[in-house]
Amino acid sequence: GAGVSQTPSNKVTEKGKYVELRCDPISGHTALYWYRQSLGQGPEFLIYFQGTGAADDSGLPNDRFFAVRPEGSVSTLKIQRTERGDSAVYLCASSGGYEQFFGPGTRLTVL
Amino acid sequence: GIQVEQSPPDLILQEGANSTLRCNFSDSVNNLQWFHQNPWGQLINLFYIPSGTKQNGRLSATTVATERYSLLYISSSQTTDSGVYFCAVGFQKLVFGTGTRLLVSP
Repeated sequence: GAGVSQTPSNKVTEKGKYVELRCDPISGHTALYWYRQSLGQGPEFLIYFQGTGAADDSGLPNDRFFAVRPEGSVSTLKIQRTERGDSAVYLCASSGGYEQFFGPGTRLTVL
Repeated sequence: GIQVEQSPPDLILQEGANSTLRCNFSDSVNNLQWFHQNPWGQLINLFYIPSGTKQNGRLSATTVATERYSLLYISSSQTTDSGVYFCAVGFQKLVFGTGTRLLVSP
């Protein structure tokens, strides 16, 4: 596609539930990034993939968060046992070099 | 880790005015990007500028890597320029500043 796409655009869930957020990067981009943005703040890094492997997952806040990119294209961010503090906008970016291009984000609300 | 500071935190302009936004960072990097986050939350790429000067229409940017700062210039501002401007730096992962919130009034 022309840009990075993310689905769903909005997700409302209840505390304790499991959620999956999907990212479709720009075609041909080998690097894919996940960030999280809380209200009034800048995005914060979560995890970075180069191809299929997670090259840097140092930003994942705890073991409830996990991400995969099995075929080196689409990525899924998985959150188990969601907590109210997980509410944020989850942003995905992709890159074919250094410059990163961002998707529109998924707004996650945990009730 | 890398620290990024942006100034000013808030800026109010009349349409037609010029402004300069500043980004200071604490360490050498090979990636520096400026973004505009529009009211719908989309991060729009303005410049990829780890060093040097670039111009795109009414916007220009300069990064002095040896002194670890970057400047974003907005000339003849328009109401559509309103939003939050982020500077982000790093190698692979980007570290974002806290942003400059710009409001351009008619």
